[in-house]
Amino acid sequence: NAGVTQTPKFRVLKTGQSMTLLCAQDMNHEYMYWYRQDPGMGLRLIHYSVGEGTTAKGEVPDGYNVSRLKKQNFLLGLESAAPSQTSVYFCASTNYGQRSYEQYFGPGTRLTVT
Amino acid sequence: GENVEQHPSTLSVQEGDSAVIKCTYSDSASNYFPWYKQELGKRPQLIIDIRSNVGEKKDQRIAVTLNKTAKHFSLHITETQPEDSAVYFCAASLMDAGNMLTFGGGTRLMVKP
Repeated sequence: NAGVTQTPKFRVLKTGQSMTLLCAQDMNHEYMYWYRQDPGMGLRLIHYSVGEGTTAKGEVPDGYNVSRLKKQNFLLGLESAAPSQTSVYFCASTNYGQRSYEQYFGPGTRLTVT
Repeated sequence: GENVEQHPSTLSVQEGDSAVIKCTYSDSASNYFPWYKQELGKRPQLIIDIRSNVGEKKDQRIAVTLNKTAKHFSLHITETQPEDSAVYFCAASLMDAGNMLTFGGGTRLMVKP
């Protein structure tokens, strides 16, 4: 049982390049989330999904797109990376309607845009 | 939308002392309040959470209190140990509307041996 995993762990992009971050969970969770964490700050929600085939915008969605084609995977895309998107990206998942509303986080992806 | 403020931003205590971190939230509809601990370079991990139908919850050396009227909640750590040193984040959400967490800015806790 791996929990929540993220690929890749580190990435350096040049301005204007694109990339996709992959989040996978093996806990059969309905809800999945993408957050970003800038140095010395709390996490901010980018996008989230309440089930397979659904996505919705969070607090800071501009410049990102997401897809949830399979229940266990949640992809975060950057179409044209900007230096302002340099951050650590965390994926999380949780179940709905269970006794616990804990969000389980992945190990993070450290992205640098030069 | 929800806004969560957290104080202090840094806290230094002697080993064995207590530590208190306070958060306020703006949306009276929020009903779930977790606390996460994050060590350097690691993922956030839940240490305790509380729902709005409960005023206090305790788990060994950690306790959380919630005042819905004043819209604030606090984390209490007793008998602090060096391994408690980390960044602590409070958060708030509405459980039945996506459970989207709004985080506070974090508190760096340093426990001096």
